[in-house]
Amino acid sequence: QLHLVQSGAEVSKPGASVKISCKASGYTSTTYNIHWLRLAPGQGLEWMGIINDSGTGTKYQQKFQGRVTMTRDTSTNSDYMELIALRSEDTAVYYCASEPPEKYYFDSWGQGTLVTVSS
Amino acid sequence: EIVLTQSPGTLSLSPGERATLSCRASQTVSSTYLAWYQQKVGQAPRLLIYGASSRATGIPDRFSGSGSGTDFSLTISRLEPEDFAMYYCQQYAGSQGYTFGQGTKLEFK
Repeated sequence: QLHLVQSGAEVSKPGASVKISCKASGYTSTTYNIHWLRLAPGQGLEWMGIINDSGTGTKYQQKFQGRVTMTRDTSTNSDYMELIALRSEDTAVYYCASEPPEKYYFDSWGQGTLVTVSS
Repeated sequence: EIVLTQSPGTLSLSPGERATLSCRASQTVSSTYLAWYQQKVGQAPRLLIYGASSRATGIPDRFSGSGSGTDFSLTISRLEPEDFAMYYCQQYAGSQGYTFGQGTKLEFK
């Protein structure tokens, strides 16, 4: 299993963007897909998208299409999720999570990054 | 879109009791694609069960998963104090990605 460590909390204004990092140790992240999910106050877990094990392919939930970009730096085993055009409803704890390829579950999770969107 | 409905929303039990949590899908879900997670306040979710009934690494055998089709359940045979938490079911829906139930809160009675 991977050990995933995320970047720290962020405070952003409406309309701004945020970029969160997720660094993997243990097995290299090239052997795992990385997903991004979020947990908003009073809401359930929400899947945002995936970047594949080679970092060459992404798929985003339709809700976030056009606002989210997921990237990978294989040289540092780090993944990034950028969300633009932030609104107050984007206030949430954001998680990265690993999926062994074609297993369809998340076996390791980052500790979470709180993003607060407020004017 | 496949919707997962968990019940009950809150389950109040005491240590030593048996807990049964339900996850019902709006359409048939392959057992391969059904997982359960535990989340404690301030912590990340932890994988408990995958493939509807396989325990993840390090998960005690008091946790078990079962079900098929549209009805799945997570059972905790004898509750320990550390088991009181939020529980989520999750499914993979192909091109639609992944969805979660709204969660069941397991609380001390």
